[in-house]
Amino acid sequence: AQSVTQPDIHITVSEGASLELRCNYSYGATPYLFWYVQSPGQGLQLLLKYFSGDTLVQGIKGFEAEFKRSQSSFNLRKPSVHWSDAAEYFCAVGGGNKLVFGAGTILRVKS
Amino acid sequence: DAGVIQSPRHEVTEMGQEVTLRCKPISGHNSLFWYRQTMMRGLELLIYFNNNVPIDDSGMPEDRFSAKMPNASFSTLKIQPSEPRDSAVYFCASNLRDRGYTIYFGEGSWLTVV
Repeated sequence: AQSVTQPDIHITVSEGASLELRCNYSYGATPYLFWYVQSPGQGLQLLLKYFSGDTLVQGIKGFEAEFKRSQSSFNLRKPSVHWSDAAEYFCAVGGGNKLVFGAGTILRVKS
Repeated sequence: DAGVIQSPRHEVTEMGQEVTLRCKPISGHNSLFWYRQTMMRGLELLIYFNNNVPIDDSGMPEDRFSAKMPNASFSTLKIQPSEPRDSAVYFCASNLRDRGYTIYFGEGSWLTVV
């Protein structure tokens, strides 16, 4: 069965600083990997996804993620964080048309 | 295009009452998912349908929960009787299975059982 670990529950970064959110997955086959973002009181919005091909994927809002099979990781990055990026971020792994989510990482941005 | 539409957005009900949450998936999508989100357990998949047929309901917590999808454009999640521990945000999501696994979420139904 697939599983996802997001080791950081909270992360605080300064506005303009770079960001990396960690995600490790467990899945027996080639994974489909996703990052979603959830703002307070809102649903989940897809940031980016990896199915195959180039292991560096670009998403919306200036985010990117890199798939590293050898490390079973799919970390999310952004070179310069904006205050509006404060939200909760979820990594997910898909297989058999089911998505399993990590516990989420809450991002705080300080000015 | 309209996204996944859920109703009600917010519901407060008394313990023991029946609760019905509704979902309209994105037109043309053939898979529908119900998730529950709580602080303690995060996002949990309750049940999902392919072509209106329930495929996996192993996440449904107990018999008080039931879900139906009478047609491709409508699904319900029912809790009867409701209990305070059912308080959570319930998300409906949909995707077009043959086009990959990208799942699109509704805004959620925020349920409080008092």
